[in-house]
Amino acid sequence: NAGVMQNPRHLVRRRGQEARLRCSPMKGHSHVYWYRQLPEEGLKFMVYLQKENIIDESGMPKERFSAEFPKEGPSILRIQQVVRGDSAAYFCASSPGYSGYSYEQYFGPGTRLTVT
Amino acid sequence: GESVGLHLPTLSVQEGDNSIINCAYSNSASDYFIWYKQESGKGPQFIIDIRSNMDKRQGQRVTVLLNKTVKHLSLQIAATQPGDSAVYFCAEILQGGSEKLVFGKGMKLTVNP
Repeated sequence: NAGVMQNPRHLVRRRGQEARLRCSPMKGHSHVYWYRQLPEEGLKFMVYLQKENIIDESGMPKERFSAEFPKEGPSILRIQQVVRGDSAAYFCASSPGYSGYSYEQYFGPGTRLTVT
Repeated sequence: GESVGLHLPTLSVQEGDNSIINCAYSNSASDYFIWYKQESGKGPQFIIDIRSNMDKRQGQRVTVLLNKTVKHLSLQIAATQPGDSAVYFCAEILQGGSEKLVFGKGMKLTVNP
């Protein structure tokens, strides 16, 4: 049973380019979450999606960032016109939704974005 | 803003010792708490969770304690092993909120052989 998959694992972009990060949730999971982690810091929530719907985007920067989770295919986190401050590790997590007790989210290995 | 934080940024223990990692939270509306372990270059890995209507929960070699009076959470690791070396995060979910996790800053545990 494959876990959460993310690609690419490492991504280098020049300032002004676009970055596209992909996340395939665990089989049977319809909830996807994106988090960002700066070096030596904890993870910060960005966005929570279910199939074709954005449920909570309170952690998303107002500009340049967007996310989608289409009916078919992986979830995509898109960063337009990247700046050096976007350099971070981006983690995707998935869950089957609230189980009656647990909100456990299963994390992928992350995409390390470096903006030069 | 962040409502979850950790008291100790680093902890070094000897193999076989018990480890205690502490976490303070500020939001009394938090309903669910979870501990994750993150090894270098990897994503967070679930350790154990606890609901706000519980004081204690045990897993394999790990115990989570919740003190709602002082808004304090702790993770106890028994007989710490070198493989336990990692950064540990506590996180919370607010009651009635979305399912987003609010993470603390993290604490690095180093186990010396």
